[in-house]
Amino acid sequence: DTGVSQDPRHKITKRGQNVTFRCDPISEHNRLYWYRQTLGQGPEFLTYFQNEAQLEKSRLLSDRFSAERPKGSFSTLEIQRTEQGDSAMYLCASSQTGGDYGYTFGSGTRLTVV
Amino acid sequence: AQSVTQLGSHVSVSEGALVLLRCNYSSSVPPYLFWYVQYPNQGLQLLLKYTTGATLVKGINGFEAEFKKSETSFHLTKPSAHMSDAAEYFCAVSGSGNFNKFYFGSGTKLNVKP
Repeated sequence: DTGVSQDPRHKITKRGQNVTFRCDPISEHNRLYWYRQTLGQGPEFLTYFQNEAQLEKSRLLSDRFSAERPKGSFSTLEIQRTEQGDSAMYLCASSQTGGDYGYTFGSGTRLTVV
Repeated sequence: AQSVTQLGSHVSVSEGALVLLRCNYSSSVPPYLFWYVQYPNQGLQLLLKYTTGATLVKGINGFEAEFKKSETSFHLTKPSAHMSDAAEYFCAVSGSGNFNKFYFGSGTKLNVKP
């Protein structure tokens, strides 16, 4: 088990471009989460999947953001028409069913919009 | 609803001194409580968690935390700081329901002086 993998680690993009990030969770984890972390802040919840179903989306996730988890395996997070305010670390985490399991986080994708 | 307050965005201790990082939470349901550590440009690593049972929980790297319901606190301690403990620490709370969305504090950066 190699943990939670995120790709790419760093992404620099011009304002207005679209970007897509990928997350590969731990294989036996059926829950997958996306969080966003800006400088000097703790992670903020964006969205959550149980298997392939997206069960909750934060109001932070504007219409320009979309996440998918086809077949309940890896997940992608797409940001369309990026803005400078989207610059942040995007963290993926996975867990087993049950609230008493801590998340396992990936190393994150750092997005810089110039 | 749940929320977390971490007192002190920066804490500095000498090597060998006691580490105390403060966390207070609010929760409308019995909470699950977590401490995570984050090294620069890395994801978050679980240090320890409280779900049920013993209120003093031990984690990795010699850290421990005590759940005090009457004080709504979950402070993190380590008897003797090591240079390698320098990092950012996040306290998180989740509800004990089936969906364990986490709410993170804004983090405390620990500096360890030689």
